[in-house]
Amino acid sequence: NAGVTQTPKFQVLKTGQSMTLQCAQDMNHNSMYWYRQDPGMGLRLIYYSASEGTTDKGEVPNGYNVSRLNKREFSLRLESAAPSQTSVYFCASSEAGRQRGEKLFFGSGTQLSVL
Amino acid sequence: QKEVEQNSGPLSVPEGAIASLNCTYSDRGSQSFFWYRQYSGKSPELIMFIYSNGDKEDGRFTAQLNKASQYVSLLIRDSQPSDSATYLCAVPRRYGNNRLAFGKGNQVVVIP
Repeated sequence: NAGVTQTPKFQVLKTGQSMTLQCAQDMNHNSMYWYRQDPGMGLRLIYYSASEGTTDKGEVPNGYNVSRLNKREFSLRLESAAPSQTSVYFCASSEAGRQRGEKLFFGSGTQLSVL
Repeated sequence: QKEVEQNSGPLSVPEGAIASLNCTYSDRGSQSFFWYRQYSGKSPELIMFIYSNGDKEDGRFTAQLNKASQYVSLLIRDSQPSDSATYLCAVPRRYGNNRLAFGKGNQVVVIP
């Protein structure tokens, strides 16, 4: 059982380059998320998708775009990378448990460096 | 006040002792609380959630919720070196579609 799979695990970009982080889950979860984690800042939500066909901004959406390709896949795109986007990115999924908050299942993370 | 605060620095405990972590939250109406464990270089994993006032026990982990004082604690009994990790507290934002707000985490180091 793979759970949440995200690729790539590591990436180095130059300022201004673009890239897409891929995420797929095999748990039949409705909701998917992209977080970034920076030292001293904790986990911050970039975008989320409550269900297939919907996406919403989180706390720090600027500089990012997302696509919920189908129920399994949720991608994060950096159109023009900036050094401030150097971070560890986590994809996560959950069942639709909005009444009490989500139990999140995380992917293994992508360490992104923007030079 | 921040939504979720975990203020204490790294916690060092001897093997076999009790590790105690605290998390305070700002929304008095919060109903549910989550603890995630994150090993260095790894992703967070859910270890405990609590919905009601009082205590919840799961193995060596106990979550204690005090709504009057707006804090939730995580106790790790009989601490093992494998418990050395960062523990993240998370609370749903009632006015943000219940998406989780995370604290910055508390690092625990269990000394053999």
